[in-house]
Amino acid sequence: DSGVTQTPKHLITATGQRVTLRCSPRSGDLSVYWYQQSLDQGLQFLIQYYNGEERAKGNILERFSAQQFPDLHSELNLSSLELGDSALYFCASSVGPDGTSYEQYFGPGTRLTVT
Amino acid sequence: DQQVKQNSPSLSVQEGRISILNCDYTNSMFDYFLWYKKYPAEGPTFLISISSIKDKNEDGRFTVFLNKSAKHLSLHIVPSQPGDSAVYFCAASINQNAGGTSYGKLTFGQGTILTVHP
Repeated sequence: DSGVTQTPKHLITATGQRVTLRCSPRSGDLSVYWYQQSLDQGLQFLIQYYNGEERAKGNILERFSAQQFPDLHSELNLSSLELGDSALYFCASSVGPDGTSYEQYFGPGTRLTVT
Repeated sequence: DQQVKQNSPSLSVQEGRISILNCDYTNSMFDYFLWYKKYPAEGPTFLISISSIKDKNEDGRFTVFLNKSAKHLSLHIVPSQPGDSAVYFCAASINQNAGGTSYGKLTFGQGTILTVHP
């Protein structure tokens, strides 16, 4: 158990819909990262938050957004869903930019299926 | 542009022998490297890491070697056990003097499926 929790574990929804994925980082970690794993693209970085502020951005679609709340949990919002958005979405946490450790610890993931 | 590559999609090893998983990278700005193990339907589990200022890091049965001049790293598992069977990902990040969109994000290889036979 990494200490990172994600809900829900599975999500099935229709095209055009909007969903919210939730992540709680390990106790004490200030940074939260979101990754997408699809069959053809492997694990791809989406976005990072550090202590409530956006820190880094990957190839995240404009239809996707995220935020980190004062209690440090994070949510990833996916809207106008398309079939190609079906994937595993992972959240990871780490101490953060000023910490001495750069390891990221991953949650169990949310499997999104868009039908 | 795939900056981290694992050229072997799979590796099969006998129990008790050494498993060697390889990874190559192209971006010389990477300064931290990590190995993760992943089972189906689970999140990646951190195994071991190495800073670019070192060439070797050891943790129990796991050793990571870094050859900066060749932009190559490898993970050695000795002795291999059936429970080690999983997908292994190498990842790299830029942490020092990085700004903009580079800081901290992990860039992953495509993974190598390790099978350890009893």
